[in-house]
Amino acid sequence: AQSVAQPEDQVNVAEGNPLTVKCTYSVSGNPYLFWYVQYPNRGLQFLLKYITGDNLVKGSYGFEAEFNKSQTSFHLKKPSALVSDSALYFCAVRAWGGDSGGSNYKLTFGKGTLLTVNP
Amino acid sequence: DADVTQTPRNRITKTGKRIMLECSQTKGHDRMYWYRQDPGLGLRLIYYSFDVKDINKGEISDGYSVSRQAQAKFSLSLESAIPNQTALYFCATSSRAPLLVGYTFGSGTRLTVV
Repeated sequence: AQSVAQPEDQVNVAEGNPLTVKCTYSVSGNPYLFWYVQYPNRGLQFLLKYITGDNLVKGSYGFEAEFNKSQTSFHLKKPSALVSDSALYFCAVRAWGGDSGGSNYKLTFGKGTLLTVNP
Repeated sequence: DADVTQTPRNRITKTGKRIMLECSQTKGHDRMYWYRQDPGLGLRLIYYSFDVKDINKGEISDGYSVSRQAQAKFSLSLESAIPNQTALYFCATSSRAPLLVGYTFGSGTRLTVV
C-alpha cells in the first residue's frame, strides 16, 4: 500500500519569508511524487512533479520541491512567499514497479496543508 | 471550455434520494477517477476506470456506483443519499502513458445531503 503524510494541517508565514510545506511518503517500488494546489472553490491544480533525475524539482509560481529518498520526503518550498500563495496544498504519490500491484497509476493524496501567507 | 467539466457545481438533496454527478472530459484521456474531499481527510478515491470496460472500486466505494458511458464520460451515482455523503466531489483524468504525470481535475461538485 502507498501512503502520504502531511504532518502540518496549517502553515502560517509572513509575506516575503521562505515557506516549507512538508510531505513524507511510503510506497513499494519507485515513487512518483506530486504537489497540487487548491484555491477556494476551485479544483486541484498541478504544481510540480518528481519522476526521476535531479532531486530538486522546479514548478509553477516559483515553487520547488526536494526529493529525499533516504528520508522518504518531498517537501515543497518557496524562497519568498506571496499573499496570493495562500491555499490548500496536497502532496500525492504514485508507485511504479515493485510490489505496487493494483495501485499503479492511482494517486494517493495526503490530507492537505492549509498555507496562509500574512501581509 | 474546461478540460474536465463536472455538473452540477452545487447540489442540495434530501436523504434517501438518488443523485447522479456527471463528468466529461476533452483531454482524450483513457483513465478517469472520482474522489471525494472532506476537511481534514484530504482526497479519497471512490471509483476509477481505466477504460470503458474497466471499472474498479476505490477505497470508499460503499454507497456509490459509477457508469462509464463513453471514453469521455464518467458518472457517479449515490443510490440513496445519506448526510455523511455531504462532501466536495472531484472527477479527474489521466493518460495511460506509464510515465505520465499527474491528473487533470474538474472544478468539483459540492453536494449537501439534508
